Amino acid sequence: AQTVTQSQPEMSVQEAETVTLSCTYDTSESNYYLFWYKQPPSRQMILVIRQEAYKQQNATENRFSVNFQKAAKSFSLKISDSQLGDTAMYFCAFMKPQGAQKLVFGQGTRLTINP
Amino acid sequence: DTGVSQDPRHKITKRGQNVTFRCDPISEHNRLYWYRQTLGQGPEFLTYFQNEAQLEKSRLLSDRFSAERPKGSFSTLEIQRTEQGDSAMYLCASSLTSGTFNEQFFGPGTRLTVL
Repeated sequence: AQTVTQSQPEMSVQEAETVTLSCTYDTSESNYYLFWYKQPPSRQMILVIRQEAYKQQNATENRFSVNFQKAAKSFSLKISDSQLGDTAMYFCAFMKPQGAQKLVFGQGTRLTINP
Repeated sequence: DTGVSQDPRHKITKRGQNVTFRCDPISEHNRLYWYRQTLGQGPEFLTYFQNEAQLEKSRLLSDRFSAERPKGSFSTLEIQRTEQGDSAMYLCASSLTSGTFNEQFFGPGTRLTVL
């Protein structure tokens, strides 16, 4: 079974700063997807960024980028030039591409961007 | 807005009562997932449907839980004889299987409180 661990329950930074959220996972699979999801207060979860395990290049989406270390089973999210709208719960998630494609989530990190 | 919708958004019930939640996926999405999210935790997979067929159920889904997706459109999740431990956010997600990666789009969730 796969497990996902986020060891930072809460983080807080000032607007415009850069922040990095950590995630580690455990799996015996060689091919899989990793995701970061954002869940704003009282709003639905949305996909921020995804990484395919077979791709060595780290994924980037505008201000969001990941540091994927496959051997270390580490998958961190970097948010550059943070904005007030980035305030949310962030969940790291794992998915096998075969079968149900169910998501396995970490416990989440509550990120607060202060003005 | 043609995203995933869930009804009701909030439900308060007394222990022992039955409750039913509804999820309307994005039109033409053939997969529909149910997740449960307890306070301070990430969502956990409960079950999923491909069209009208329920293909996998988590061991978290006790006999008191039943889900249906008649005609492969909306889905219902029923909890019989509710217990205080059932208090959680119940999330629905849908996806369209069109390739290796099929993004799951989440609804706003139904927050259940069992008194």
